[in-house]
Amino acid sequence: DAGVIQSPRHEVTEMGQEVTLRCKPISGHNSLFWYRQTMMRGLELLIYFNNNVPIDDSGMPEDRFSAKMPNASFSTLKIQPSEPRDSAVYFCASSPMTGLGNTIYFGEGSWLTVV
Amino acid sequence: QKEVEQDPGPLSVPEGAIVSLNCTYSNSAFQYFMWYRQYSRKGPELLMYTYSSGNKEDGRFTAQVDKSSKYISLFIRDSQPSDSATYLCAMSSGGFKTIFGAGTRLFVKA
Repeated sequence: DAGVIQSPRHEVTEMGQEVTLRCKPISGHNSLFWYRQTMMRGLELLIYFNNNVPIDDSGMPEDRFSAKMPNASFSTLKIQPSEPRDSAVYFCASSPMTGLGNTIYFGEGSWLTVV
Repeated sequence: QKEVEQDPGPLSVPEGAIVSLNCTYSNSAFQYFMWYRQYSRKGPELLMYTYSSGNKEDGRFTAQVDKSSKYISLFIRDSQPSDSATYLCAMSSGGFKTIFGAGTRLFVKA
């Protein structure tokens, strides 16, 4: 059973460039999350989708960040324009949301460096 | 004050030692408590899941929740070098929002 699949695994880009991170959640999971992890701030929730609909984007740091989920098997997180402070690991995660608390399954992350 | 407090470590122990990892929290609405393990350059993976107070054991791992003290623990018995990782506590009140601790880095020396 495939887990959450993220691409690219590593990205190095110059400041001002557009960055697009991609995610394929686990089949059958109806909830999708984008997290950002840094040494300073730990794991932060950026946005949460339920049944492809954005439910909470209060964690999105700025208007430079946007996320979409056009269908149940694909989501993107876009940063435009990128800045050095956006350098972090971005995790996509999905959950079946059975009502027994949200057990979250993470992808392996996209390691972003903005220079 | 953060909702979830976790000592970042690092914690270094010899192989075979009993490891105790802990988190405190402030939100009494939390009902679901989890421990995730994150190996270097990998995503977090769910290790233990408990609901409300009490203990749960799975092999060498035991999770404890004390809601009256707002304190959760993860014990690792007979620790192995393969247990070297970052351990994140996480908790939820049942909705979509899960709050993670900062993670404790554990090193088990052979």
